[in-house]
Amino acid sequence: DVKVTQSSRYLVKRTGEKVFLECVQDMDHENMFWYRQDPGLGLRLIYFSYDVKMKEKGDIPEGYSVSREKKERFSLILESASTNQTSMYLCASSVENRGEQFFGPGTRLTVL
Amino acid sequence: DAKTTQPNSMESNEEEPVHLPCNHSTISGTDYIHWYRQLPSQGPEYVIHGLTSNVNNRMASLAIAEDRKSSTLILHRATLRDAAVYYCILKETSGSRLTFGEGTQLTVNP
Repeated sequence: DVKVTQSSRYLVKRTGEKVFLECVQDMDHENMFWYRQDPGLGLRLIYFSYDVKMKEKGDIPEGYSVSREKKERFSLILESASTNQTSMYLCASSVENRGEQFFGPGTRLTVL
Repeated sequence: DAKTTQPNSMESNEEEPVHLPCNHSTISGTDYIHWYRQLPSQGPEYVIHGLTSNVNNRMASLAIAEDRKSSTLILHRATLRDAAVYYCILKETSGSRLTFGEGTQLTVNP
């Protein structure tokens, strides 16, 4: 079975802190994605990557950056966390040009 | 991106079939129709997808209208574990992005 793991289920940070959210997949997938999910807004794509060291902006990249140094790992970085980044963050991966995305369990981030 | 329209919520009884509708009147000829579901406190999971023909798998069936402007996800016998938000998504043939809408909250009554 494909497994996508995220470093934390729950995280509490303070405004202005640098935050790293880690995602690892074990199926050698080319594509990896970061979403955030908020009530009433659904899932929104922040960034995605289709290869190592490659990244593309999604619909809401402002305030975020990403890093993909190895194929299996995709990191989401909040350079200076703000309260409006309090959200559920979901990572996903997929095989190149295949529709099925496999999601991790999510990280619920609270920024105080 | 072509959009989909789904009812906000639906209810079903356990062990009865459930038909979840989705309208996508602006679908293009190369868009695939994907369905995902999200159980409480979990990430979304893939259910099924199709292009023109009806599709079946172990989880569900997908019925696609002949003009492709609508589709229906069919759960043949709903269980309590099927209570989730179901998302109908159009995906372009090329590219890997999915755009999630609000989905349909399915409640299954015992």
